[in-house]
Amino acid sequence: EAGVAQSPRYKIIEKRQSVAFWCNPISGHATLYWYQQILGQGPKLLIQFQNNGVVDDSQLPKDRFSAERLKGVDSTLKIQPAKLEDSAVYLCASSLVAGHEQFFGPGTRLTVL
Amino acid sequence: AQSVAQPEDQVNVAEGNPLTVKCTYSVSGNPYLFWYVQYPNRGLQFLLKYITGDNLVKGSYGFEAEFNKSQTSFHLKKPSALVSDSALYFCAVRDPNSNYQLIWGAGTKLIIKP
Repeated sequence: EAGVAQSPRYKIIEKRQSVAFWCNPISGHATLYWYQQILGQGPKLLIQFQNNGVVDDSQLPKDRFSAERLKGVDSTLKIQPAKLEDSAVYLCASSLVAGHEQFFGPGTRLTVL
Repeated sequence: AQSVAQPEDQVNVAEGNPLTVKCTYSVSGNPYLFWYVQYPNRGLQFLLKYITGDNLVKGSYGFEAEFNKSQTSFHLKKPSALVSDSALYFCAVRDPNSNYQLIWGAGTKLIIKP
């Protein structure tokens, strides 16, 4: 069974530029999550999708972050414009059912200069 | 409020010795508990979970965890540590009041010395 795929693995941008991350979850997993992880800390949930609908985006900074999951499969997370404090690892995870074990992709390490 | 605590930022163990990484939780209702491991520059990997049943749960890489309802704990254990077990370990509990999202502990860095 293929795992969660994410790209790119690394991205370096200047502040005020835009960036997009892509995630393809495990086939058949209805629930998809985007997390932000600061080095050495636990992951912080940004947004949760159930199929192609948003379940919770209360911690997503909507003035600069957006996410979509068209067709209920893969998803993109965008930051525009980026700030220095957005430097972090962005993790995508999926689960068959909300509340059960989540499976994570390798993450995208973003550096904002 | 639902919460998870990992009281130790770092745990140091000699190779071959048993290891324990501690986790306590506070959640309404019956807890769904999880352990994840994160190796450097990698995503989080699912190790094991407790939903119901036997209090001792076995998982990947020889790890197990003991659920203790009276102490609201879910400690991760391994009988004999390997240097390759060195990583960051996260405990998480499902929040029944928030779309079944996971509440994450702050993580414990496990260092196994040869």
